[in-house]
Amino acid sequence: EIVLTQSPGTLALSPGERATLSCRASQFISSSSLVWYQQKPGQAPSLLIYGASNRATGVPDRFSGSGSGPDFTLTISRLESEDFAVYYCQQYGFSPPYTFGQGTKLEIK
Amino acid sequence: QVTLKESGPALVKPTQTLTLACTFSGFSLNTSGMCVSWVRQPPGKALEWLGHIDWDDDKYYTTSLKPRLTISKDTSGNKVVLTMTDVDPVDTATYYCARMVIQSVGWLNYYYMDVWGSGTTVTVSS
Repeated sequence: EIVLTQSPGTLALSPGERATLSCRASQFISSSSLVWYQQKPGQAPSLLIYGASNRATGVPDRFSGSGSGPDFTLTISRLESEDFAVYYCQQYGFSPPYTFGQGTKLEIK
Repeated sequence: QVTLKESGPALVKPTQTLTLACTFSGFSLNTSGMCVSWVRQPPGKALEWLGHIDWDDDKYYTTSLKPRLTISKDTSGNKVVLTMTDVDPVDTATYYCARMVIQSVGWLNYYYMDVWGSGTTVTVSS
């Protein structure tokens, strides 16, 4: 089973700053297999990035994804108030299970 | 417009069987590349992928829960059912269903869950 490790666990930044979130896989995975989700309190997760770097429909361009197995990054170029949430990466490797990372909480400093 | 909605009991006793339904619209589970996944989230904890069923009626499950899980399609065609046997208080969580898409672009396959239900909270307690 592939384990995803996200860092940091919590990131405290101010609006307007740049956020860099990391996701590391325990073994190589294809870039096409890495997905990022955003989850706000009391809400279901929502798709942000698929294939490591492809923004989902309607996702603002301040969100970008990069990297290749095993290291991936989600960058938010200029934080807005609505971006403070928990972010999860998920991998769809060679076969199930399709595990999630433990999440990074992005909070207002 | 694609929508999914989970339904089922809010409270289940330990050792009982939990049955949740996901009623969806706006897509067909008979279309190649379409799947429905189940994900759960214990209070204050991370997301956990449980499994999915695909357009070909193939099912896949997370390793640790595989003996206890069954995912199936309802004969109506727009409902997917998750069954979990022998529940325990550690199974207390919000359970989500989501549309999972396998998108083929050239030689690459992209996987993602693009539309989620709002979730249903299940408490396991005597």
